Amino acid sequence: NAGVTQTPKFQVLKTGQSMTLQCAQDMNHNSMYWYRQDPGMGLRLIYYSASEGTTDKGEVPNGYNVSRLNKREFSLRLESAAPSQTSVYFCASRAVYNSPLHFGNGTRLTVT
Amino acid sequence: DQQVKQNSPSLSVQEGRISILNCDYTNSMFDYFLWYKKYPAEGPTFLISISSIKDKNEDGRFTVFLNKSAKHLSLHIVPSQPGDSAVYFCAASRMNYGGSQGNLIFGKGTKLSVKP
Repeated sequence: NAGVTQTPKFQVLKTGQSMTLQCAQDMNHNSMYWYRQDPGMGLRLIYYSASEGTTDKGEVPNGYNVSRLNKREFSLRLESAAPSQTSVYFCASRAVYNSPLHFGNGTRLTVT
Repeated sequence: DQQVKQNSPSLSVQEGRISILNCDYTNSMFDYFLWYKKYPAEGPTFLISISSIKDKNEDGRFTVFLNKSAKHLSLHIVPSQPGDSAVYFCAASRMNYGGSQGNLIFGKGTKLSVKP
């Protein structure tokens, strides 16, 4: 029972490089989310997908794009990484909007 | 402007005693509240929730209290155990709303240390 799986676990990028963070869930959940966690800032929503085929901006979307590839997969892309995007990124999913989020174990990204 | 506030960055308690973690919110439209626990190098895990129709919800050693008039909720852990040492996040949203209004807003977290 994997739940929410994120890859990679760690990544180091140089400023200006691009990369895609992958997320997949096996719980047949409708909604998926990308959060970032920074020291002293809690968890902030970057983008979300309420259902397959839809995506919307969250609180801190600048510098990111997302793709809801299918019901299981939701990817986060950094087109031109900046040091301010150094963070831990969490993917989460939930079945319906009155239910708890289930989180993956995160991707720790460092941009130098 | 922070809608969900956890004003204590850290809390230290002795094993066997009660841990009380506090959370305040500013948006009176919030009616669904959750607590998450996070260990280092892991994702947050759901602990307990409460809706605004109740003022208390219990699950084993964990109890969440909601004071709607004060816009305040608290998580009580009794008795505290060393394995409870983690960062605890409070979160809030509007029930029965999809889209942005139904998204969870998180506090900044409180780091709990339970000393043997």
